[in-house]
Amino acid sequence: AQTVTQSQPEMSVQEAETVTLSCTYDTSESDYYLFWYKQPPSRQMILVIRQEAYKQQNATENRFSVNFQKAAKSFSLKISDSQLGDAAMYFCAYSGNNNDMRFGAGTRLTVKP
Amino acid sequence: EAQVTQNPRYLITVTGKKLTVTCSQNMNHEYMSWYRQDPGLGLRQIYYSMNVEVTDKGDVPEGYKVSRKEKRNFPLILESPSPNQTSLYFCASSPRAGRSYEQYFGPGTRLTVT
Repeated sequence: AQTVTQSQPEMSVQEAETVTLSCTYDTSESDYYLFWYKQPPSRQMILVIRQEAYKQQNATENRFSVNFQKAAKSFSLKISDSQLGDAAMYFCAYSGNNNDMRFGAGTRLTVKP
Repeated sequence: EAQVTQNPRYLITVTGKKLTVTCSQNMNHEYMSWYRQDPGLGLRQIYYSMNVEVTDKGDVPEGYKVSRKEKRNFPLILESPSPNQTSLYFCASSPRAGRSYEQYFGPGTRLTVT
């Protein structure tokens, strides 16, 4: 079964700085999608960014970008110009052939003013 | 407004007392799913449904039941809740089953079983 690992339970960043959250996954599939979801204190799960495994180009959404290394099975999230509103729990997720979505344990991001 | 709704948002109950958490979506989505979120474990899938009358087990189905009689509703049933089912529960939906689809999440239900 596919597994998703987020090795950083907590991270902190200074406002306006850049932070990178790590995610690795294990799969034998060749076609899949990877996602980053944000969960602010409101508990609402919000999609941040997605990446298709067959696309070489790393996805970008405004201040959020990913570093997708397919061979290394790595999918990190970079947040540039961090803002106070970025403080949240971030979950990495994998979606493959099994009609399910597998999540990592999450990384809690603190943004210091 | 397109959304997934869950009720109740908070629930405290006692061991063995049957309960139902409702989930409804107004986006005409075919795929619906239930997750539980526990500290250090992330979200784990309980059950999912690819369409009406089609449901299947996720990673942690023990102690839970679901039904999908209508496209918009996907209730989660705990026939005899136990303290280890104390958790944060999320319902989610997507247009259809498939790896590319984003899942849209409800606001969560905090369940405490004493």
